[in-house]
Amino acid sequence: IVLTQSPGTLSLSPGERATLSCRASQIVNKNYLAWYQQKPGQAPRLLIYDASTRATGIPDRFSGSGSGTDFTLTISRLDPEDFAVYYCQLYGGSPRYNFGQGTKLEIK
Amino acid sequence: EVQLVQSGGGLVHPGESLRLSCVASGFTFRRYDMHWVRQATGKGLEWVSTAGAAGDTDYLDSVRGRFTISRETAKNSLSLQMNSLTAGDTAVYYCARDGRSGNFDYWGQGILVTVSS
Repeated sequence: IVLTQSPGTLSLSPGERATLSCRASQIVNKNYLAWYQQKPGQAPRLLIYDASTRATGIPDRFSGSGSGTDFTLTISRLDPEDFAVYYCQLYGGSPRYNFGQGTKLEIK
Repeated sequence: EVQLVQSGGGLVHPGESLRLSCVASGFTFRRYDMHWVRQATGKGLEWVSTAGAAGDTDYLDSVRGRFTISRETAKNSLSLQMNSLTAGDTAVYYCARDGRSGNFDYWGQGILVTVSS
């Protein structure tokens, strides 16, 4: 299964709403779709799992939605610390775990 | 607090070997699948290998037969033995805990492996 994230780069200002897309080439089993945030020089951080469940300690401005082949990560009001690269990831396919190519969220 | 502390890594020549280690704390290691994920400089994330809690293992096709994942429960330790390394294996390698829904909920700090002549 191939995951395609769009856009490649998203330029927004703090306080704005961000919408990131992840599209799978086949239906994702049991919505086993996760989102990660990665800042330069740091390990990724799990934000969302099972398509819409926030991980421990993740602020409620982050939300995930979607099912089947189309998934969305929404950040309701951008905080300066939210500018980073975001990856979607699915479980179930070949290879067993797949990542999208990433969306870079940059300050406009 | 869950912690994954990595060691190993470094610069090796093509064809050489390297062993990565990851020591876990703050959770019951034996109950969780554990993974290695890598990231080439400026590139995206790529799953490499899994060591299941039940003793099963799995590998990315491009490393199968060259890399061996193992875990030692008594030491809460995960390892990745990498043989016949190529320039294409150059990356930061992360160990990660399985989040029960096919995701990775905790990550190590990452360690750089450079394969170059």
